[in-house]
Amino acid sequence: DVKVTQSSRYLVKRTGEKVFLECVQDMDHENMFWYRQDPGLGLRLIYFSYDVKMKEKGDIPEGYSVSREKKERFSLILESASTNQTSMYLCASSFGPPGEQYFGPGTRLTVT
Amino acid sequence: GEDVEQSLFLSVREGDSSVINCTYTDSSSTYLYWYKQEPGAGLQLLTYIFSNMDMKQDQRLTVLLNKKDKHLSLRIADTQTGDSAIYFCAESRKRFGAGTRLTVKP
Repeated sequence: DVKVTQSSRYLVKRTGEKVFLECVQDMDHENMFWYRQDPGLGLRLIYFSYDVKMKEKGDIPEGYSVSREKKERFSLILESASTNQTSMYLCASSFGPPGEQYFGPGTRLTVT
Repeated sequence: GEDVEQSLFLSVREGDSSVINCTYTDSSSTYLYWYKQEPGAGLQLLTYIFSNMDMKQDQRLTVLLNKKDKHLSLRIADTQTGDSAIYFCAESRKRFGAGTRLTVKP
């Protein structure tokens, strides 16, 4: 059974904290993605990684960074959390297009 | 800027066909995708179409692509209550629409 797991389902952090969101996939996929999902805006791509240590900015990378030291793990880092980063964060992985893309269950982050 | 647009709501009766429409702006997209998100669940890829095709059928799902007008549609035949969900279209996995909430009434 294919799986993308995310470290937390719910997270509450304070403004200014450094936040780590972890994503692990067990399918040996080369591509991994971080999106945020907000009502009325759909999914927006934050960062994309196509190989270990390789990354590409999505549409909204400001305030975020990523790390991919191992193929199965892709981390999203909020260097200094702000209230406008309160959102649902979705991780996904895939082989090259157009194949199946698998999503994790999401992390609902609240920054107070 | 580049954008993917879709209407936010659609309501149909069980057994009817549903048609969800989407427009996009990036003509260089190689693949276009449809995803489904059920309440409390993650996204799942429903189907995709290669940009040089104009139609793809997969069981109850039919995807139509009008590349000239940059218009994509998803038709669900014989819609069931289990099809109630939010449907997202996307170009290239990098740009998604806001999602269409499909409600199927018995």
